[in-house]
Amino acid sequence: QSVLTQPPSVSAAPGQKVTISCSGSSSNIGNNYVAWYQQLPGTAPQLLIHDNNKRPSGIPDRFSGSKSGTSATLAITGLQTGDEADYYCGSWDSGLSVGVFGGGTKLTVL
Amino acid sequence: QITLKESGPTLVKSTQTLTLTCTFSGFSLSTTGVAVGWIRQPPGKALECLGIIYWDDDKRYSPSLKNRLTITTDTSKNQVVLTMTNMDPVDTATYYCAHRPPGQGVKFDPWGQGTLVTVSS
Repeated sequence: QSVLTQPPSVSAAPGQKVTISCSGSSSNIGNNYVAWYQQLPGTAPQLLIHDNNKRPSGIPDRFSGSKSGTSATLAITGLQTGDEADYYCGSWDSGLSVGVFGGGTKLTVL
Repeated sequence: QITLKESGPTLVKSTQTLTLTCTFSGFSLSTTGVAVGWIRQPPGKALECLGIIYWDDDKRYSPSLKNRLTITTDTSKNQVVLTMTNMDPVDTATYYCAHRPPGQGVKFDPWGQGTLVTVSS
């Protein structure tokens, strides 16, 4: 069982907006940065968001991140079929002294 | 351009020791703040952070696997080595290494392509 909690799946139509939640505790999200990853089928994860809300170069501004307390949210606007993937949140856990991830959320673009 | 690539056996037997090598280019593990992490993913399951080694040779391991894991580095060869003892079929997974730039947290970028390790009983 993953330390961070994500919904197993979300879905929305092309062009719409979807949000993915990530819930943790004071030992991880509450006091550390959150990162988000996109994993397309059969590929390695790719960093989408780091430091709660920063996008690496090359990541479209359709992807945004936010954090409040011990929860974080990834928002994707203008959904495209190419966005169908698994999305993972991650954070450092100060109590465990290791990185922790969520269980992943499968995005389906209907 | 930063690249990483994992190498090692694709099949190991129960109780054996797994040794994986991460060969990287485009950065130096001697640069302040830089780290390399190891993450695994069982088929169809979530990511699990195994451990991380920092530029100053500090290391952190997953508490649940700490007794079985060792991460070392050969700076001259631009390699990071993961050793996991007493392998079990539940350890079957794709193993990734990833670059963590200076900063905090788990902003691993980029990742290696991963290598699937199957453990037979």
